[in-house]
Amino acid sequence: AQTVTQSQPEMSVQEAETVTLSCTYDTSESDYYLFWYKQPPSRQMILVIRQEAYKQQNATENRFSVNFQKAAKSFSLKISDSQLGDAAMYFCAYRSYQGAQKLVFGQGTRLTINP
Amino acid sequence: ETGVTQSPTHLIKTRGQQVTLRCSSQSGHNTVSWYQQALGQGPQFIFQYYREEENGRGNFPPRFSGLQFPNYSSELNVNALELDDSALYLCAGGQGLKDTQYFGPGTRLTVL
Repeated sequence: AQTVTQSQPEMSVQEAETVTLSCTYDTSESDYYLFWYKQPPSRQMILVIRQEAYKQQNATENRFSVNFQKAAKSFSLKISDSQLGDAAMYFCAYRSYQGAQKLVFGQGTRLTINP
Repeated sequence: ETGVTQSPTHLIKTRGQQVTLRCSSQSGHNTVSWYQQALGQGPQFIFQYYREEENGRGNFPPRFSGLQFPNYSSELNVNALELDDSALYLCAGGQGLKDTQYFGPGTRLTVL
């Protein structure tokens, strides 16, 4: 079974600075997807970024980028120019390429933005 | 906006009762997945429906059941509620089995 580990329960960063959230995963599969989701206090899980494992190029969405290291099974999220609205729980998630769209989530990292 | 809504927002039940949670997804979302998120935890996969048939199930007992309807709505039914069923229940819709899943705002269930 696949597992996802987020080793940082909490992180904080000054507004406008850069922060990196860590995620590692365990799988024996070669094809899969990785995601970062954001969950603000409103509870709605919002997709931040998606990475297909067969793509070597790291995904980027505006101020959000990932560092995908397939051999190391590492998938970190970098947030540049942090904004107050970035404060939330961030979840890393894994999904197999085949079969049901079962997302396996990590425990989450609570990100605080200091003004 | 994710195009996925859930009702009710909050619900309080007592142990042993039955509950039905509802999810409505935008047109074209032929997959729906349900997740249980206990306080302070990541969501846990309950099951997925694809074109109105169950397409995968997590480690949840049979008293958790679901339905998906042709109008892109879905239900999660939980029988014989237990205290540990208290959680945030999230549904997620998508177009096809390779698409990204888009989450609704969740239903907070409290079992007393």
